[in-house]
Amino acid sequence: ETGVTQTPRHLVMGMTNKKSLKCEQHLGHNAMYWYKQSAKKPLELMFVYNFKEQTENNSVPSRFSPECPNSSHLFLHLHTLQPEDSALYLCASSQEAGDSYGYTFGSGTRLTVV
Amino acid sequence: AQTVTQSQPEMSVQEAETVTLSCTYDTSESNYYLFWYKQPPSRQMILVIRQEAYKQQNATENRFSVNFQKAAKSFSLKISDSQLGDTAMYFCAFTTLSGTYKYIFGTGTRLKVLA
Repeated sequence: ETGVTQTPRHLVMGMTNKKSLKCEQHLGHNAMYWYKQSAKKPLELMFVYNFKEQTENNSVPSRFSPECPNSSHLFLHLHTLQPEDSALYLCASSQEAGDSYGYTFGSGTRLTVV
Repeated sequence: AQTVTQSQPEMSVQEAETVTLSCTYDTSESNYYLFWYKQPPSRQMILVIRQEAYKQQNATENRFSVNFQKAAKSFSLKISDSQLGDTAMYFCAFTTLSGTYKYIFGTGTRLKVLA
């Protein structure tokens, strides 16, 4: 039991498709994050939600749209993506945003845009 | 700018041997926290060890220990008695309490433990 569950594990989508990534945590955490992981690059923070409110959008293109209906669930809605958006998308959670105790990560969604 | 540098893209070690992964960072903050994360082929990032910058004592978790040199802004990870299950990507990261909610990650070191 990882505590943070991401679905789907793999996703292949065309540039005109619309899809969503889902993240769920059962740890009682109040902050959730989306990260993009590309080869040979540091993890890129995309969005931060703290107590369901978006507190950070790290200059992410509008083709990525996050949604946080409650503190346990986080979605990333995707539309009209580009091939360079292919990456591993990681969800993480922590007790609160800015928590210094470390994040709990999910296993990610491997996204391929064709 | 706050940065984390991992200068070893790949390393290998024989099973049961000891290996050290290096990490340097740059920040003007005086109070911050440092982390090592492990990402095995299963892809889930797992927290290995955490160090508080104001503590001089190096953190230890079983076979994992750090060498924290605050003046040099260095935070290396030592893995003793390496096991095949230690094969993974290892990421160094830090965060401050400046309210930006950001953990700054390095580019990772791929470690392979050889039988």
